[in-house]
Amino acid sequence: GQQLNQSPQSMFIQEGEDVSMNCTSSSIFNTWLWYKQDPGEGPVLLIALYKAGELTSNGRLTAQFGITRKDSFLNISASIPSDVGIYFCAGRDNYGQNFVFGPGTRLSVLP
Amino acid sequence: EAGVAQSPRYKIIEKRQSVAFWCNPISGHATLYWYQQILGQGPKLLIQFQNNGVVDDSQLPKDRFSAERLKGVDSTLKIQPAKLEDSAVYLCASSQRTSWSTDTQYFGPGTRLTVL
Repeated sequence: GQQLNQSPQSMFIQEGEDVSMNCTSSSIFNTWLWYKQDPGEGPVLLIALYKAGELTSNGRLTAQFGITRKDSFLNISASIPSDVGIYFCAGRDNYGQNFVFGPGTRLSVLP
Repeated sequence: EAGVAQSPRYKIIEKRQSVAFWCNPISGHATLYWYQQILGQGPKLLIQFQNNGVVDDSQLPKDRFSAERLKGVDSTLKIQPAKLEDSAVYLCASSQRTSWSTDTQYFGPGTRLTVL
């Protein structure tokens, strides 16, 4: 079945730094979603991408749908303590009914 | 707009017992999903409903798991009998599916199941 890889697996950054993470697939996707999950909560949708090359922002967050359609990137600018959590990507190809989720990137922000 | 509601939030049972989880999707959302999320992993789809019909249950362990959405609104996921490896967070999500090309999913808070 389809699998998504996310990197890095985890990262520790200083408050105020910018963050980049990515998600890659072995197959072409037509939709990418980025979620953040806090401990004990369900994933919260951050950004949805539907076209190759699309660049979408949500506050300090920016995500891009890769040109190859096999990857997506999420950037967080000027990180703050509440950015701590696990970031998941989810993707769907042209034939799939459902979304496949990556294993997540765990972000820690040091004061 | 109210989000996806799930109950209970936590459940502890012994192996071989039965357990049921309830989900009420966002109003008007025709599609409902149940996911299993094991600690340290991303959510894995168990079953997808479109209104009251099953669209995909290929990853549902049907010997012990069952789910229903009888009236096309809220849904129940049951495990009978539970095994130790069923310990996980069970997430419910819903989507409008008005346009397949711009579909997205919204999650509930999840039910954390511990099987002892």
